[in-house]
Amino acid sequence: DTEVTQTPKHLVMGMTNKKSLKCEQHMGHRAMYWYKQKAKKPPELMFVYSYEKLSINESVPSRFSPECPNSSLLNLHLHALQPEDSALYLCASSQVPGQGAEQYFGPGTRLTVT
Amino acid sequence: GQQVMQIPQYQHVQEGEDFTTYCNSSTTLSNIQWYKQRPGGHPVFLIQLVKSGEVKKQKRLTFQFGEAKKNSSLHITATQTTDVGTYFCAGTDLGAGSYQLTFGKGTKLSVIP
Repeated sequence: DTEVTQTPKHLVMGMTNKKSLKCEQHMGHRAMYWYKQKAKKPPELMFVYSYEKLSINESVPSRFSPECPNSSLLNLHLHALQPEDSALYLCASSQVPGQGAEQYFGPGTRLTVT
Repeated sequence: GQQVMQIPQYQHVQEGEDFTTYCNSSTTLSNIQWYKQRPGGHPVFLIQLVKSGEVKKQKRLTFQFGEAKKNSSLHITATQTTDVGTYFCAGTDLGAGSYQLTFGKGTKLSVIP
């Protein structure tokens, strides 16, 4: 199984809502990532989890809150988002964090904040 | 911080023509990876280059890593409509104390049948 799954595929939420994005992989990968991708832009790293511990937070606003319940699951909790947060949110995983680790991306959640 | 520049931003080719995209890094890279993202899709890993001067081939795709490990290229021979998408290079610079990927801005390839 070389798949990273993400739910939901699409999400529309108001600025006062609380929602969560979910990501799952069963490849035994020990590094998991959240990226944000705006239209016609490259993926922009948000968070890195290494062995279920948050290792990198790229100065992401606190309205985004990641969680790694176990080695297969990664969540991104959303609260009080702004319209400019509308984007494709990609989850990725790699075998180990570090040099040369190819990343497997999920299909993404397309988020619209109204 | 590390920057990875990628050109061109867009490329339109006739089917059967060749295509090349180039990446340049402001720092020496530990490795470089290439990803393809189809329209409406997600990035898919293509290849990784690690060694100075390395050349790797995948069917019609040829990947090169420069001698100084600061630049890389992806060349597609005789493009097909299935090659349509955005190609990203992404580098890692362990010397900067970081192992995350820095993505180039991508080259969007359109193939005219």
